[in-house]
Amino acid sequence: EVQLVESGGGLVQPGGSLRLSCAASGFTFSSYSMNWVRQAPGKGLEWVSYISSSSSTIYYADSVKGRFTISRDNAKNSLYLQMNSLRDEDTAVYYCARDSKRGQPPGFYGMDVWGQGTTVTVSS
Amino acid sequence: EIVLTQSPGTLSLSPGERATLSCRASQSVSSSYLAWYQQKPGQAPRLLIYGASSRATGIPDRFSGSGSGTDFTLTISRLEPEDFAVYYCQQYGSSSMYTFGQGTKLEIK
Repeated sequence: EVQLVESGGGLVQPGGSLRLSCAASGFTFSSYSMNWVRQAPGKGLEWVSYISSSSSTIYYADSVKGRFTISRDNAKNSLYLQMNSLRDEDTAVYYCARDSKRGQPPGFYGMDVWGQGTTVTVSS
Repeated sequence: EIVLTQSPGTLSLSPGERATLSCRASQSVSSSYLAWYQQKPGQAPRLLIYGASSRATGIPDRFSGSGSGTDFTLTISRLEPEDFAVYYCQQYGSSSMYTFGQGTKLEIK
C-alpha cells in the first residue's frame, strides 16, 4: 500500500524550532519529488515547499523562505521539514504530498498521495 | 504570483443534482498544471483531476474537469452523499510555486 506518514508535530513557542518527518512506503520514494502543504485551523490549503527526487531542485513559498528547510534521505525513504523562527501564523496541520516522477515536471500529474498530517501549534 | 479565485464560496445542492464549481486565475494558467482536490473534515485532500481534465486513479466518472486559460470548471454530474466536501483548485506556475484556490464548500441542501 502506498503510504505517507508524518510525525514530529507539537506545541512550540514563537521563535522556536521543530523538525517534521514524513515516512514513505509502498513506492519507490527516490523516484518522486515531494511537497509540504499546510492548512491553518479552519482555513484553506497553502503550499509550503517542494523538493525534487534527487534534492537538486528546491522551492519555498515566500511565507517560509529563509526560515524553513526541506530535505530528504532517499536511503531512509524519508522527507523532512526543518522549521526555525516559528511564528503564530505557522500554526497548521502539515501534510507531505507526493509530486511527479523523476523526469516529469512539477505539478504535471497533481499531488496524488497525501499523508494524514501532523499538527504544529506555535503559541506561548 | 498567480491567484486562484473559486466560486461560489458555498454551494447548497441535493443528492442527484449537478454541481458546477468555478476556478478563475488572475493570469493565464497552463491547463497541464491545473488540478482539483476534494477534502472532507478531518481528512487529507484527495486528488480528483489533473491536467485540467484527466481523472486521477479511482475517481468516478461523475467527476469531470474542463477549461483553459483563466477559467476552469469542476463538474459533478450527479451528486452522491459522499461528494459533499470542500473542493480546491491548484496550479503550478512559472514562478516555481504552487497556489491553491480558497475552496468551495459543497453542502447538502
